[in-house]
This record gives sequence, C-alpha cells and structure tokens, in this order.
Amino acid sequence: EAQVTQNPRYLITVTGKKLTVTCSQNMNHEYMSWYRQDPGLGLRQIYYSMNVEVTDKGDVPEGYKVSRKEKRNFPLILESPSPNQTSLYFCASSTSGGALTQYFGPGTRLTVL
Amino acid sequence: KQEVTQIPAALSVPEGENLVLNCSFTDSAIYNLQWFRQDPGKGLTSLLLIQSSQREQTSGRLNASLDKSSGRSTLYIAASQPGDSATYLCAALTYVIKAAGNKLTFGGGTRVLVKP
Repeated sequence: EAQVTQNPRYLITVTGKKLTVTCSQNMNHEYMSWYRQDPGLGLRQIYYSMNVEVTDKGDVPEGYKVSRKEKRNFPLILESPSPNQTSLYFCASSTSGGALTQYFGPGTRLTVL
Repeated sequence: KQEVTQIPAALSVPEGENLVLNCSFTDSAIYNLQWFRQDPGKGLTSLLLIQSSQREQTSGRLNASLDKSSGRSTLYIAASQPGDSATYLCAALTYVIKAAGNKLTFGGGTRVLVKP
C-alpha cells in the first residue's frame, strides 16, 4: 500500500531536549516536505526537499533541521525544542517536483513543556 | 510571496444542498492548485488537483474550477451528505526561482458541517 508514515504519532517532551520525527514514504517520490498546523495559522511549510541531498527552507524553518540522505526518508530534527514548537506536524511526498498529488502522513502531535 | 485565502472559514448547510467553497490566491504563476479534505485529528486527503493549464477537474460529486487570471478556484460538492462534514483546504504550488524548488502554500481552510 502506498503510504507516508510518521513516527512518533504523539510526543510530549521538555524544553531543550533534542528530538527527531521520522518520515518515510514507499512511493519512490523525489519531493518531500514538512508542515506544521496551528489553530488560526493553518498549514505552513517548514522545509522541503526536491531530491536526495537537496533541501530548502519553507516559510517557518527557524528551530528546525532536516536531512535527506535517502530518497524514502526525510526526518525533522528539533535540536532544542521550545514551547512555541508545540504543534501538529505533517510530512508529505510527491513526484515531479511536487507538481503532482501530494500524499500526507497521519501527523505527529508534539507538545513541548 | 504567495498568499492563499479561503472564505468563509466555516459553513453549515442542510443535507442535499450543493456546497460551494472558495479559494483565492495572489500570485497567478502557479503550477497547480490542489483541494484537500481533513477530518478532525487526521491527515490530509487529496481530493482534486488542477494543473495550471486546466480549467476544471471532476471526480464523482466533486468539481473544481480554476481561473488563474482572477486568482480563484472553486470546489463544488453536489448533493451534500453528512459524511461530507470536514475541513476543506486548498493549496497552490508555486515555483521559487531563488531556491529552484516548488513551494506549496495552503489556505486557512473552510470547516463544513452538513446537517441531516
């Protein structure tokens, strides 16, 4: 089954404790991206990747890092999480540089205390 | 910078009525426009994707139109059902020259309630 998986689905952590949210897709898509969704602010793009070793900032990259060492994986790294990073995070993938249908993961709900 | 707006933010209709959801965008140089459905606490499901060269796309009871020149897209849902209750989001894909990459910008969504 074609899908985008994210882990963990739920995470409660404390300020400053480094964490990684994993994202993996099995559709051989080149394009992958991360979004955060906040009430009243909608979905905002954090980072995107056009292909392996090619990443770029979205609208709200501050406080986040990403890497794309393999085509199927696109982890989101929070080196020193802060409470304002409490949010619902989505990973998505697509082919043709994002020009075709975007497939979204189920989301990761992160709470930073 | 691309900005995408969806008005109204919420909509309530009786079952059987047709739904009309609006999406507007400021930069008409888009690759495509995509409509998504999001159920509470869940991820996004793609409904329809309209390429910039197309005027509309249809899937079952859903029909989406695109007018690039006016910066508008409309999603029509015929004969609404309670199961159509969800939040509907539109998103525009734009090429970012500086980054040589494609960026997806979302609207704030329209929350739809279809009453039995």
